[in-house]
Amino acid sequence: EMQLVESGGGLVQPGGSLRLSCAASGFTFSSHEMNWVRQAPGKGLEWVSYISGGGDTIYYADSVKGRFTISRDNAKNSLYLQMNSLRAEDTAVYYCARVYLQYFDPWGQGTLVTVSS
Amino acid sequence: DIQMTQSPSTLSASVGDRVTITCRASQSISNRLAWYQQKPGKAPKLLIYKASSLESGVPSRFSGSGSGTEFTLTISSLQPDDFATYYCQQYNSLWTFGQGTKVEIK
Repeated sequence: EMQLVESGGGLVQPGGSLRLSCAASGFTFSSHEMNWVRQAPGKGLEWVSYISGGGDTIYYADSVKGRFTISRDNAKNSLYLQMNSLRAEDTAVYYCARVYLQYFDPWGQGTLVTVSS
Repeated sequence: DIQMTQSPSTLSASVGDRVTITCRASQSISNRLAWYQQKPGKAPKLLIYKASSLESGVPSRFSGSGSGTEFTLTISSLQPDDFATYYCQQYNSLWTFGQGTKVEIK
């Protein structure tokens, strides 16, 4: 069974940093593009970042460009999101999701990031 | 950037009702559209891809249609398990989600 499990969320002060991880299993991780998507409390879904299977192509949403860095370790079947200069508006549940034929399937269960003093 | 607009934002319906949700793209996306269902505290679940293709395991009461800029998700006979929030997503140029449609009990 395919599974994605996020970790690393928590409470951080404005201006702080946090690193999220996503552990993948049940499929050939290195063959699949991956994304991060977030959802602020009570709000809709927002695409955050994309990385190709080999890690050589990366995209970011304008809202996080220059502050967030996506990466992956195919040997460890893991996806990461390094988040720096965090703001209150970055408070959200962060999901990792596999790209399957351009849409997202499956998704992880999410990890909550709260940016507050 | 491609913007996606869903309507309505909230929909009140009863079990057995036929329900239709609309999603409009700010420019043509061909049929590169997916629909997801999300329940409170859970991750989104893929329902429909390529505008009208039903994901394996999804009940046949769900259907999708449209191409270009206008798309619909239809639930032919609403069941208790279908009360949730539904999102459209374009994947023609990166990815953008609609703002969501909450289907609630009337």
